[in-house]
Amino acid sequence: SQKIEQNSEALNIQEGKTATLTCNYTNYSPAYLQWYRQDPGRGPVFLLLIRENEKEKRKERLKVTFDTTLKQSLFHITASQPADSATYLCALGENTGNQFYFGTGTSLTVIP
Amino acid sequence: NAGVTQTPKFQVLKTGQSMTLQCAQDMNHNSMYWYRQDPGMGLRLIYYSASEGTTDKGEVPNGYNVSRLNKREFSLRLESAAPSQTSVYFCASSERDRGNQPQHFGDGTRLSIL
Repeated sequence: SQKIEQNSEALNIQEGKTATLTCNYTNYSPAYLQWYRQDPGRGPVFLLLIRENEKEKRKERLKVTFDTTLKQSLFHITASQPADSATYLCALGENTGNQFYFGTGTSLTVIP
Repeated sequence: NAGVTQTPKFQVLKTGQSMTLQCAQDMNHNSMYWYRQDPGMGLRLIYYSASEGTTDKGEVPNGYNVSRLNKREFSLRLESAAPSQTSVYFCASSERDRGNQPQHFGDGTRLSIL
């Protein structure tokens, strides 16, 4: 069956450290993988997109990797800050069709 | 610069009642989507509209109908609400209906069915 799994447990890290979130998928063939941030009571906000032929993408303190062999994406936040505390969602987009498939999200707390 | 606006923000219904959730976007996007978000389930696509005049079923369409009223507006209707439809509903839009397009979300409608 198709499955998208993100870190099952909430992630707590110390301010200034690097947070690493995982997104693993089964029985999908995504051409694109996106990462979103969601704050309590708000809708998701787009952060980064990476294509299947790209290994890594960076934006300021954010870095995303995409390994189609391992069927995994890693999302890194370097020099983390308390303001980075939120739930982070990964979403898969395939070349055919126009649906997105979202993971359940990982809750990140950055402790001052 | 509103982006995607959803109304209402909160609603409580009794089983069997009907209601329409409204969504409007001001970004001139072609594609619009309705999702529901439940604890432990992630966002699941209910219906989408690739462009004005078209609508298609997503992963969980049963019990819902949609209308793409014009390019800006996409509504979601519950004809006979059931407790299983208690959820947070999000509307989203994107420039085109492809996986390389970021989606822009509203802040949701929190719906409880008693």
